[in-house]
Amino acid sequence: AQSVTQLDSQVPVFEEAPVELRCNYSSSVSVYLFWYVQYPNQGLQLLLKYLSGSTLVESINGFEAEFNKSQTSFHLRKPSVHISDTAEYFCAVSVATGFQKLVFGTGTRLLVSP
Amino acid sequence: DAGVIQSPRHEVTEMGQEVTLRCKPISGHDYLFWYRQTMMRGLELLIYFNNNVPIDDSGMPEDRFSAKMPNASFSTLKIQPSEPRDSAVYFCASSLTGPQHFGDGTRLSIL
Repeated sequence: AQSVTQLDSQVPVFEEAPVELRCNYSSSVSVYLFWYVQYPNQGLQLLLKYLSGSTLVESINGFEAEFNKSQTSFHLRKPSVHISDTAEYFCAVSVATGFQKLVFGTGTRLLVSP
Repeated sequence: DAGVIQSPRHEVTEMGQEVTLRCKPISGHDYLFWYRQTMMRGLELLIYFNNNVPIDDSGMPEDRFSAKMPNASFSTLKIQPSEPRDSAVYFCASSLTGPQHFGDGTRLSIL
């Protein structure tokens, strides 16, 4: 079975500062990895995904994540955050045969202040 | 394109009452998922369907919970009888051959 650990429940940061949200996973088989973002009173939105190929994946709003197989990590980074990035971020994993059984981490709340 | 549509957005009811949550998946998607989100347990997959057929209901917590998908454009999650510990946000998601797309959820409060 797969599992996901997000060590930080909350990450406070100032606007325009860099941020890293950590995600580690456990699996005995190949996996797909995802980051979802949840704004208040909304559902989860896919931020970026790793399926195969390049280990560095990017989103359209400046986030990136790097798949590190040896460290079983998929940390999310942004070099300069905005107030509007304040949200809950979830790391998720599924076996690399499909997208059906997603296992989510407990989430990290990113709090960006001026 | 319309996303996954859930109704109602909020539901407050008394313990013992029947609760029905509704979901309309994205047109053309053949997978539909029901999740529950709580502070204590995070996001849990309750059940998912493929082509309207339940594939895995191992996450359904008790027999009080049931889910149906009578056609490709509609699914329900029913709780009967409801209990205060069922209070949570319930999400529906759908997918085709890629990642899941989530609705905005139903916030359920059982008094």
